Amino acid sequence: DGGITQSPKYLFRKEGQNVTLSCEQNLNHDAMYWYRQDPGQGLRLIYYSQIVNDFQKGDIAEGYSVSREKKESFPLTVTSAQKNPTAFYLCASTQGGELFFGEGSRLTVL
Amino acid sequence: SQQGEEDPQALSIQEGENATMNCSYKTSINNLQWYRQNSGRGLVHLILIRSNEREKHSGRLRVTLDTSKKSSSLLITASRAADTASYFCAPAFDRDDKIIFGKGTRLHILP
Repeated sequence: DGGITQSPKYLFRKEGQNVTLSCEQNLNHDAMYWYRQDPGQGLRLIYYSQIVNDFQKGDIAEGYSVSREKKESFPLTVTSAQKNPTAFYLCASTQGGELFFGEGSRLTVL
Repeated sequence: SQQGEEDPQALSIQEGENATMNCSYKTSINNLQWYRQNSGRGLVHLILIRSNEREKHSGRLRVTLDTSKKSSSLLITASRAADTASYFCAPAFDRDDKIIFGKGTRLHILP
């Protein structure tokens, strides 16, 4: 089945550690996105990539990094520079128009 | 790119009633999309309405677009418990515009 897969679903991290969230899609979409969602809030754009080997910062890119070496993969690294990383992270892909979302990764910093 | 602002922030209605949510935006758009998010899940696309369309239907959903007022509305008719979710609008300047979301409307259907 075509879709977008995020892993892990739940992740715990100690302060000062980097962590990488995986996002894979088999929809052959050019564009991929990472959003952050805090409790009771909307989605905020972290990074997006319109095409392989290219990506742009969103509204809250500080403390995060991404890569887009393959069309189907867009991993997000939450670095120790991110001061408040506990949140729900959502990945999405699109070929223009409708966004397809993964089921999210919930990161908790202990 | 731009984000829409949904109104109201929260809405509680009795099962069987209709629910209306509104979205306002600031600049001209190519299209506007509505999404639903169940608690703890990813967003699901509901409807895309283009700037040259005024109304669109999908099952119990009806979306209107008024480009002169820069606003859109989502109507859910005959609401069900399963409609309890957050609803987001996403206006897009062009087809490849990055998608930015507002804070959404939290809809709660009372039994």
